[in-house]
Amino acid sequence: QSVLTQPPSVSAAPGQKVTISCSGSSSNIGNNYVSWYQQLPGTAPKVLIYDNNKRPSGIPDRFSGSKSGSSATLGITGLQTGDEADYYCGAWDSSLSIWVFGGGTKLTVL
Amino acid sequence: QVTLKESGPALVKPTQTLKLTCTVSGFSLSTSGMRVSWIRQPPGKALEGLARIDWDDDKFYSTSLKTRLTISKDTSKNQVVLTMTNMDPVDTATYYCARSRRGYGDLDVWGKGTTVTVSS
Repeated sequence: QSVLTQPPSVSAAPGQKVTISCSGSSSNIGNNYVSWYQQLPGTAPKVLIYDNNKRPSGIPDRFSGSKSGSSATLGITGLQTGDEADYYCGAWDSSLSIWVFGGGTKLTVL
Repeated sequence: QVTLKESGPALVKPTQTLKLTCTVSGFSLSTSGMRVSWIRQPPGKALEGLARIDWDDDKFYSTSLKTRLTISKDTSKNQVVLTMTNMDPVDTATYYCARSRRGYGDLDVWGKGTTVTVSS
């Protein structure tokens, strides 16, 4: 059972937009930064969004992040088949004193 | 270029102790603000944070695994070591090390991971 809650799967057609939600609590998302990770099959996670809504260099602006209270959302526009992957939200948990993650959301681009 | 690389045994027997090494390059473990975490991922399952060690040797552990984990670092070798005692088949997973920095809310660089299978 993951500390952060994500939907198991989302899907949309190429070119469309999708959002992935992530729900936590005051000890993690509510009082710390949220980050989002993309994990392509057989590879390590890669950061897409850090500090709630910032993109590392090289990440296209099709990817966006937002946070409200103890919840966060990842948005992806202009979906491409190459976006098919598992997406994880993560945050430091100040009560548990460890990194916590969502259960992961599998994105299917139909 | 910042890189992290995990190494360790691919197969361990139940009840044995696992020792994993994370060798970093492109930054120093003693630089103020640097932090290295271990995260694992069982096959087909989600990420799980295990432990973190900071530049000043502060250490943090998963509550559920605290009694079995030890994290340490050797700054001269640019290595972070994680030991996990009393291994069980449920500990079968890919183990990653990743860097974070004080003031930034993410794990910005990850190693490729090392797969550990626990079986007799």
